Amino acid sequence: DAKTTQPPSMDCAEGRAANLPCNHSTISGNEYVYWYRQIHSQGPQYIIHGLKNNETNEMASLIITEDRKSSTLILPHATLRDTAVYYCIVRAYSGNTPLVFGKGTRLSVIA
Amino acid sequence: NAGVTQTPKFRVLKTGQSMTLLCAQDMNHEYMYWYRQDPGMGLRLIHYSVGEGTTAKGEVPDGYNVSRLKKQNFLLGLESAAPSQTSVYFCASSGRDRLSYNEQFFGPGTRLTVL
Repeated sequence: DAKTTQPPSMDCAEGRAANLPCNHSTISGNEYVYWYRQIHSQGPQYIIHGLKNNETNEMASLIITEDRKSSTLILPHATLRDTAVYYCIVRAYSGNTPLVFGKGTRLSVIA
Repeated sequence: NAGVTQTPKFRVLKTGQSMTLLCAQDMNHEYMYWYRQDPGMGLRLIHYSVGEGTTAKGEVPDGYNVSRLKKQNFLLGLESAAPSQTSVYFCASSGRDRLSYNEQFFGPGTRLTVL
């Protein structure tokens, strides 16, 4: 079973920041937080990952709370093309631990 | 780079028929995966491979077999298709080194309908 909890859906106005929350209260010390997204019926796409520090790349920022029990993915300036299902996944960084996908959050960016 | 490709894109089978789905990657990745996605659900891992000649079961392996005879290819077989196997099948790959391990690259998917 997925070890994360996400809201089933969210709306965001185009051009505004989209903040997607994720709860992972049972996360272990060796588990990272990963975010993927799936646009329409395409294959999922990697966005970002982190352990305990905040991370930023060209797509998004990841904010992880100090106790690591929750995190927020931030899309700074959402566009219509960011409409997708966003998956938050916790995964151990050891060996070949598979990704376990939950149902994710369906983000709708509205013009 | 083509990335991860899947063949075929669509297929309709009758119950009891067999078929093989082909996944190919040109990134020299060690790890390859097969997932299925049912409507409104997240992806579930069927089988995976950590290298040529090795395979392992995932979350939902029953009714499927896999083979990894070449590093770049990962085949998923359905010996006797059932309507419950109607789904979209995604293949993915990732590397073993620290840089490429974190990102799985997914193919475009194969839509399979079993009547």
